[in-house]
Amino acid sequence: GIQVEQSPPDLILQEGANSTLRCNFSDSVNNLQWFHQNPWGQLINLFYIPSGTKQNGRLSATTVATERYSLLYISSSQTTDSGVYFCAPPLNSGGSNYKLTFGKGTLLTVNP
Amino acid sequence: EAGVVQSPRYKIIEKKQPVAFWCNPISGHNTLYWYRQNLGQGPELLIRYENEEAVDDSQLPKDRFSAERLKGVDSTLKIQPAELGDSAVYLCASSFFSGGNEKLFFGSGTQLSVL
Repeated sequence: GIQVEQSPPDLILQEGANSTLRCNFSDSVNNLQWFHQNPWGQLINLFYIPSGTKQNGRLSATTVATERYSLLYISSSQTTDSGVYFCAPPLNSGGSNYKLTFGKGTLLTVNP
Repeated sequence: EAGVVQSPRYKIIEKKQPVAFWCNPISGHNTLYWYRQNLGQGPELLIRYENEEAVDDSQLPKDRFSAERLKGVDSTLKIQPAELGDSAVYLCASSFFSGGNEKLFFGSGTQLSVL
C-alpha cells in the first residue's frame, strides 16, 4: 500500500510563529486530506487537496501530486493550533476516501 | 447539526472480557467507518459500511472483532474476548459526497484500556 511520511514528527512554536508541515507519499494520488487532532482526540478535516493550493484563514495547504508531497502552512500560530496534524491519502483513486492511509502525524505544541 | 456521537468515551476492562462500542453517525450519512488508533500512530481502518452492508472488513480481526450496522444507521463494534493489545482509541466516522469528493466526519472516539 501507499507509504506516508510526515515531518517533522514534533514541533514546538511560540505563539505567533509560522510553520510548515510536510507530507511525502509513495504513490501518485488524486486526492489527499489534512486533519487536525486536538488534544482531546477530536479529528477535524482541514483540507481536501488533491493538487494546487487552498487557504482557510491562517492555514493553507499545497499539494504537488507529480512530486508526491503536500505541505500545510500555519501562520501566526495560536495555542489552539496545538495537536497532531495528519495527512491522509486514500488507497484508491477517485473521490472516495476509501482506506485513508494516515501518516504518523506531526505533534505541534504552541506555547503562549 | 449534531456530529458523530460515540459512547462510551472511556472504557477500562480486564483481558478476556467482552466490550462494545456504539456509534451514531450524522443523519443522512450512508457511509460509516470504524478506525482504530494506537498511541502515537494515525488511525487505521477496521471496517467500512455502505448503509447496512459491510463493504470492506478485510482489516477487521474476525476471530475476536465483530461489527453491525442495524438499519443502516447506528453501528456497534464488539471485541470478545479483549486482549491487552486491543488497548487503543476506537474512532467512528461517517461521510457524505460533495462535488465528487467524500468528506469524513469523526466522532470523539472511545478510549479502551485492557488491563
